[in-house]
Amino acid sequence: DAGVIQSPRHEVTEMGQEVTLRCKPISGHNSLFWYRQTMMRGLELLIYFNNNVPIDDSGMPEDRFSAKMPNASFSTLKIQPSEPRDSAVYFCASSWDLNTGELFFGEGSRLTVL
Amino acid sequence: GQSLEQPSEVTAVEGAIVQINCTYQTSGFYGLSWYQQHDGGAPTFLSYNALDGLEETGRFSSFLSRSDSYGYLLLQELQMKDSASYFCAGPDRGSTLGRLYFGRGTQLTVWP
Repeated sequence: DAGVIQSPRHEVTEMGQEVTLRCKPISGHNSLFWYRQTMMRGLELLIYFNNNVPIDDSGMPEDRFSAKMPNASFSTLKIQPSEPRDSAVYFCASSWDLNTGELFFGEGSRLTVL
Repeated sequence: GQSLEQPSEVTAVEGAIVQINCTYQTSGFYGLSWYQQHDGGAPTFLSYNALDGLEETGRFSSFLSRSDSYGYLLLQELQMKDSASYFCAGPDRGSTLGRLYFGRGTQLTVWP
């Protein structure tokens, strides 16, 4: 079975541009998470969905960030406008049962904003 | 802010045993997980403790003491490929199930 699939794997853009990161969770998983990883702040939870519904978005840094999950097999994280401080690796993860403590992570999208 | 504390780095030689500690603060406890990450790749799940005691999975074991708000990951018969970052993860104070926070990670270096 395919794991969590993220795209693009690498993105380099200029400040002010819109960035859209995409995620396909593992089929059958009902929870989806977006994390951001930087050297300074480690792994930060941005938002998570359960059954396609956003449950907690308190980790989203500011209004420039938005996330959607239109169906069980697809989610997007959008940054508009992007800033250099948004440079990070963005991970998507999914889970079929939160009581197991197990998340399945994608390979991440490495974003560089110049 | 962060509510899971772990050492920033640990070093050991091949064949040795190493223990990575994690202390946490949470009022809504749902268990403690451990993840491994190689060179910025995808974090991968290692173990989960929902109850006190030791869970063993091959060369890796994980321990939890809820009364002490403390857990550890024990790696035995270390191999070079075990060099990676290890993260403990759990719910933050007052969180609902699903809001999983990660510690800052412990960088393990295994020397030949």
